[in-house]
Amino acid sequence: GAVVSQHPSRVICKSGTSVKIECRSLDFQATTMFWYRQFPKQSLMLMATSNEGSKATYEQGVEKDKFLINHASLTLSTLTVTSAHPEDSSFYICSTLRASLYGYTFGSGTRLTVV
Amino acid sequence: QKEVEQDPGPLSVPEGAIVSLNCTYSNSAFQYFMWYRQYSRKGPELLMYTYSSGNKEDGRFTAQVDKSSKYISLFIRDSQPSDSATYLCAMSASDNQGGKLIFGQGTELSVKP
Repeated sequence: GAVVSQHPSRVICKSGTSVKIECRSLDFQATTMFWYRQFPKQSLMLMATSNEGSKATYEQGVEKDKFLINHASLTLSTLTVTSAHPEDSSFYICSTLRASLYGYTFGSGTRLTVV
Repeated sequence: QKEVEQDPGPLSVPEGAIVSLNCTYSNSAFQYFMWYRQYSRKGPELLMYTYSSGNKEDGRFTAQVDKSSKYISLFIRDSQPSDSATYLCAMSASDNQGGKLIFGQGTELSVKP
């Protein structure tokens, strides 16, 4: 399967600051990447679909001005949490999709803690 | 009502036990069903996938889908401590690239030596 690298694995930031999370597709060119959020003991919730060279598509209820997504190349998508607040503390996971529905590969996730 | 319901557990079993994990769903359009395993603080990894109703076996793992009951199961035989993880079911109505996956809440499994 595909190899997806996500960085950083964990980050602690102060309330009001911004945090950038990177997701890299290491072995194939990913025109589409996905960003999920997972609260403790809860399901993965799709936040947005990131498309290379165009604007991301956000799911209902996700603030696009707060969660900035950039997919400037076929191997890199970034998620920036702007003006972070404690309620943004969560586990953020990216994924790519290769060839078929069963080709989702997930990054190792980023644990964000806002203090 | 959530589209996909999964008992979060935790579920604790002794080593060697048969484990049964289940999900129910409400959207009859779902046709593609997957099980993911997620270790603590890691991203999910695909374990099994099935299309429509039926059974699929892979080593110690068996996935079952009953579309008439909107019910899917994952069985783990001869469970091992290394199977301790959270198991998420996921499903989709479409197999097109970009088909949206809907996840269950995940069941936390602990296999005791």
